[in-house]
Amino acid sequence: EAGVAQSPRYKIIEKRQSVAFWCNPISGHATLYWYQQILGQGPKLLIQFQNNGVVDDSQLPKDRFSAERLKGVDSTLKIQPAKLEDSAVYLCASSQSFTSTDTQYFGPGTRLTVL
Amino acid sequence: DAKTTQPTSMDCAEGRAANLPCNHSTISGNEYVYWYRQIHSQGPQYIIHGLKNNETNEMASLIITEDRKSSTLILPHATLRDTAVYYCIVRVMNDYKLSFGAGTTVTVRA
Repeated sequence: EAGVAQSPRYKIIEKRQSVAFWCNPISGHATLYWYQQILGQGPKLLIQFQNNGVVDDSQLPKDRFSAERLKGVDSTLKIQPAKLEDSAVYLCASSQSFTSTDTQYFGPGTRLTVL
Repeated sequence: DAKTTQPTSMDCAEGRAANLPCNHSTISGNEYVYWYRQIHSQGPQYIIHGLKNNETNEMASLIITEDRKSSTLILPHATLRDTAVYYCIVRVMNDYKLSFGAGTTVTVRA
């Protein structure tokens, strides 16, 4: 089965610019997650969707970050405007549901560099 | 607020077993122990999880102490492709959240 797809793989922008990342989860997976991974740290959950509804966005900096999952399939994460501290790898993951024993499958990530 | 403690790094020889320790002394009865790994430039990959019994799958074995305060992930025959950061995570039953710490950087040497 195809894995979680993300694009682009790399992005370099100037601070105050906008950027968007795209994620296509594994087919049939109802739950989608966006994580932020700063260099040297483990991934940190930003937002979780169940189908096209937001379950948890408590860690999402809503003044500059937004995410949507129209039609309950693929998702877009946007940063507007970007700050230097947003430089990180943005990982998308999906799972069949959101029960505790459900495996989360991760995509390869998008590496963002903000100059 | 990671609930686990892991060594920062460790080396192991190719072909030998790699034993990765994890302390989770404050674990509750409704919390699982999960292991993920992250190979360079890839997303994290699920390895194994357990509640209180030892578990084995095609990738690894998980040994959880009787008091559940610590566990060991065993890679039976490490290969160079097992070089990665390994994360030990305590996950609450019926909760989707995975809280990653810094993990253990494992380097398998030829």
